[in-house]
Amino acid sequence: KAGVTQTPRYLIKTRGQQVTLSCSPISGHRSVSWYQQTPGQGLQFLFEYFSETQRNKGNFPGRFSGRQFSNSRSEMNVSTLELGDSALYLCASKKVIGSLEQFFGPGTRLTVL
Amino acid sequence: DQQVKQNSPSLSVQEGRISILNCDYTNSMFDYFLWYKKYPAEGPTFLISISSIKDKNEDGRFTVFLNKSAKHLSLHIVPSQPGDSAVYFCAASVRGNNNDMRFGAGTRLTVKP
Repeated sequence: KAGVTQTPRYLIKTRGQQVTLSCSPISGHRSVSWYQQTPGQGLQFLFEYFSETQRNKGNFPGRFSGRQFSNSRSEMNVSTLELGDSALYLCASKKVIGSLEQFFGPGTRLTVL
Repeated sequence: DQQVKQNSPSLSVQEGRISILNCDYTNSMFDYFLWYKKYPAEGPTFLISISSIKDKNEDGRFTVFLNKSAKHLSLHIVPSQPGDSAVYFCAASVRGNNNDMRFGAGTRLTVKP
């Protein structure tokens, strides 16, 4: 069974631009969560999608948004990029929304110059 | 609001000795705790978990201890192996809201041969 895939793996953008990251969950998994990982902050929860609906949201500004498609694939968008948005963005998939067992993708490394 | 804290950013131990990674939390509503291991260029992978109704859970070389009164948990690895070298994250979930998992900042473990 293929794992969680994220594209692209690396991205370089400049301040003010916007970016879209993609995540394909494990086949059969319907929940996708997004996390931001920065040195010293660990993984910070961004949001979770299930059945194309955002079910939970972390404490991030509105510049961070996401969506989920009918095939459970999810995209995360960050608008008006700031230097502080440079981070590793991880997505994780779960079979059902209440499950504690989640599987992470390798992440997308975003660098904002 | 860092509800889960790993105060040691790094730990170095000799092969064969015990590794002890620590984690503190502030939210008494957390009812499930997990440890994840992360290698470079890979997403975190689940290692071991413990429910708040227990104070110890063991899986092979890995044991997690939970001290609810101190709001502290620890991961013991015995004996440590060079392949254990990775970043370890502790995570906690809120009662009734398993969708929002809080992570610590991580501890980089280096096991020297």
